[in-house]
Amino acid sequence: EVQLVQSGAEAKKPGESLKISCKGSGYSFTSYWIGWVRQMPGKGLEWMGIIYPGDSDTRYSPSFQGQVTISADKSFSTAYLQWSSLKASDTAMYYCARKSGAYDYWGQGTLVTVSS
Amino acid sequence: EIVLTQSPGTLSLSPGERATLSCRASQSVSSSYLGWYQQKPGQAPRLLIYGASTRATGTPDRFSGSGSGTDFTLTISRLEPEDFAVYYCQQYGTGTFGQGTKVEIK
Repeated sequence: EVQLVQSGAEAKKPGESLKISCKGSGYSFTSYWIGWVRQMPGKGLEWMGIIYPGDSDTRYSPSFQGQVTISADKSFSTAYLQWSSLKASDTAMYYCARKSGAYDYWGQGTLVTVSS
Repeated sequence: EIVLTQSPGTLSLSPGERATLSCRASQSVSSSYLGWYQQKPGQAPRLLIYGASTRATGTPDRFSGSGSGTDFTLTISRLEPEDFAVYYCQQYGTGTFGQGTKVEIK
């Protein structure tokens, strides 16, 4: 069974760093792209970027380029999304999803709350 | 950058009625890369349709997708209580999502 399991909710202060994770199982992790999607409170879905764990080829949405870093460790079948300096506007639910053409399997989401 | 515009923003219908959701692209999109997702409150999105018209595994046949070029449609033939949710189209070649259409109970 294909599963993407994300790390738990985080509460951080502005300026802090953060790395959240997405662990894949039940399929060949290195053979499918993993994307990250932001959903701000009460808002729609925003595509942030994508990584191919097989060779770490990474693409970013222009809106998120330079704001976040996407990485993967194929030894642990895990993809990551990280911030070096969080802002209050980063408060959102973040989803990872496997790309098999369309995004066919999704993680449960990680809620990130940034508040002083 | 391709922009996807969904309409209407909200659709108020009764169970048993037909729902027609639109997704319009700012430039021509390959049908191969157009998908539809359903999201219920507190849940992750779920893939319904890919390739503009192919139902994903587990998608009931009351859901159908159509369209080409810049105009795509998701149709729910007869709304069931579990279909009231938000629906998003996506051009998954670039990743862009539409802003969503909420289907609510009238």
